[in-house]
Amino acid sequence: DTAVSQTPKYLVTQMGNDKSIKCEQNLGHDTMYWYKQDSKKFLKIMFSYNNKELIINETVPNRFSPKSPDKAHLNLHINSLELGDSAVYFCASSQVPRVGSADTQYFGPGTRLTVL
Amino acid sequence: QKEVEQDPGPLSVPEGAIVSLNCTYSNSAFQYFMWYRQYSRKGPELLMYTYSSGNKEDGRFTAQVDKSSKYISLFIRDSQPSDSATYLCAMSSFPHNQGGKLIFGQGTELSVKP
Repeated sequence: DTAVSQTPKYLVTQMGNDKSIKCEQNLGHDTMYWYKQDSKKFLKIMFSYNNKELIINETVPNRFSPKSPDKAHLNLHINSLELGDSAVYFCASSQVPRVGSADTQYFGPGTRLTVL
Repeated sequence: QKEVEQDPGPLSVPEGAIVSLNCTYSNSAFQYFMWYRQYSRKGPELLMYTYSSGNKEDGRFTAQVDKSSKYISLFIRDSQPSDSATYLCAMSSFPHNQGGKLIFGQGTELSVKP
């Protein structure tokens, strides 16, 4: 069973369109994240949700809107897509770590978004 | 200047070589240090984790943290072609439930040739 899954895997669309990426985790984790990885492999956090509540909201254009219907799902909606939005978007999840234990994040396979 | 600096490579080594991967950082508040491995077209997966300073060994992998120099390393002994991947260092000041967030290096692309 896939621990963190994302759909779609590939997304090719025109500038100006609106698109959504879905993420689901079956690990029972309480926190989910969206990351963006650019063409130079630089991975940067965009948002995190803990039990459906927004915790981290980095400096991201407000064209990006995350939504968490329940703690197993975190979707990302992007309005008015721009060329610069082309990247790989990763969803991740984690559980509250025990003291001194790793704050391990489990990543999905990624969604490769290409804006033409 | 980025908070975490990592040479993107690519780094190519023969099978059996010892590989040394490194990151430097500027934020002295970082205390959780991780190495993630990312195979091509896949998501990153946690390889090693170290809290504060010191060494940690797991099989062929050894992670070292030198907080005084703000420098972390990952050593791979007896490297195998299956180790070919991008290795990303990551670090944070607090666990996520205390508001911490992972800051990643750019990743070093490693290729181990048979």
